[in-house]
Amino acid sequence: QVQLVESGGGVVQPGGSLRLSCAASGFTFITYGMHWVRQAPGKGLEWVTFIRYDGSNKDYADSVKGRFTISRDNSKNTLYLQMNSLRVEDTAVYYCAKDVHRQSRGDYFDSWGQGTLVTVSS
Amino acid sequence: DIQMTQSPSSLSASVGDRVTITCRTSQSISGYLNWYQQKPGKAPNLLIYAASNLQSGVPSRFSGSASGTDFTLTISSLQPEDFGTYYCQQSFGTPITFGQGTRLEI
Repeated sequence: QVQLVESGGGVVQPGGSLRLSCAASGFTFITYGMHWVRQAPGKGLEWVTFIRYDGSNKDYADSVKGRFTISRDNSKNTLYLQMNSLRVEDTAVYYCAKDVHRQSRGDYFDSWGQGTLVTVSS
Repeated sequence: DIQMTQSPSSLSASVGDRVTITCRTSQSISGYLNWYQQKPGKAPNLLIYAASNLQSGVPSRFSGSASGTDFTLTISSLQPEDFGTYYCQQSFGTPITFGQGTRLEI
């Protein structure tokens, strides 16, 4: 079955950087687009970014554009999120999520990881 | 951005009740509306996609419908395991946006 396992969360000071990873298994990773979605403590869901199955197209929420970079290594079945210039308001659980559609962008999610907590605090 | 407005923000219901949650979008999204259930400390789970299609493995007591920019999630006979927070989400345009959530207590 599909498994997505995030790692790399932790506590970082404002202005700092962090890189999240999401290890994928149980499906043909190279054929599916992937997303990051976050959830601030006690708040709702916020979509962060998308990457096409082959890495050729990326999309970002305005709130993270220019600060966050999504990437993937299809040889390692791993998705990444490089987060720079972190702000207090970036504090959240970050989920990686698999797009439903194979080799196209469906923009909804049929599998999620367990999430990794990022805390930005001085 | 497409705004999503869910109602109610919370509700309490009893086992066996019929429950309805509504999501209104700020513009037409041609049925590209999805519903998720999230339990405390867990990731969301896809229930309904494209307004009215039941995701595989989801109980048939869950259903979705649409009328213009109004979308409805219905639980026909509430079960104890249906507690949690429900979110609508549009997949019509970028950025992807979610409703603010509806907290359902049994």
